[in-house]
Amino acid sequence: DTEVTQTPKHLVMGMTNKKSLKCEQHMGHRAMYWYKQKAKKPPELMFVYSYEKLSINESVPSRFSPECPNSSLLNLHLHALQPEDSALYLCASSPSLGETQYFGPGTRLLVL
Amino acid sequence: RKEVEQDPGPFNVPEGATVAFNCTYSNSASQSFFWYRQDCRKEPKLLMSVYSSGNEDGRFTAQLNRASQYISLLIRDSKLSDSATYLCVVNMFLFSGGYNKLIFGAGTRLAVHP
Repeated sequence: DTEVTQTPKHLVMGMTNKKSLKCEQHMGHRAMYWYKQKAKKPPELMFVYSYEKLSINESVPSRFSPECPNSSLLNLHLHALQPEDSALYLCASSPSLGETQYFGPGTRLLVL
Repeated sequence: RKEVEQDPGPFNVPEGATVAFNCTYSNSASQSFFWYRQDCRKEPKLLMSVYSSGNEDGRFTAQLNRASQYISLLIRDSKLSDSATYLCVVNMFLFSGGYNKLIFGAGTRLAVHP
């Protein structure tokens, strides 16, 4: 089973709202990732967690705050977003860093 | 120069055609290579890993030439369901940061028509 799940599927939020995106995998993978994808562009890496610790932050603005409560869960907390943050947010996992990544279905975010 | 470059698309081919996608990468320290496919408004799905010896999965054949830093994907007997964007993906070691990162090509769109 190579399933990564994400909730919600769609999210509309105002610029003053606080919301969270959730990602879950039960494959025993120890690396988890957040990506942002704009239309007709490839995914861009945002954050990487390895063994529940933040390994990589690709200079993402602080209005995006990742959290890894346990080895199966990855959250992305959103606060004071801008309309240009509207995108598809993809979660991925891999057995460990550098190995094949499997993507979740994504959360399509619209910031008004 | 982009780290991973792919053929510009779109490729419009009839069913049954053979189509080839090419990709080049800039970092010789790249360690692993993949083709992902992405359907419209869906997530990228792993199509196949690419090995130096070349590998085949049904109608799909992937080749890697490390000396030329070149990756290819061949699709034989195209089906309507093959219509998607194909992403060339390279796992690179970034010396600046001291870590591995997946670098995605911009993708090549394939449209197979009846």
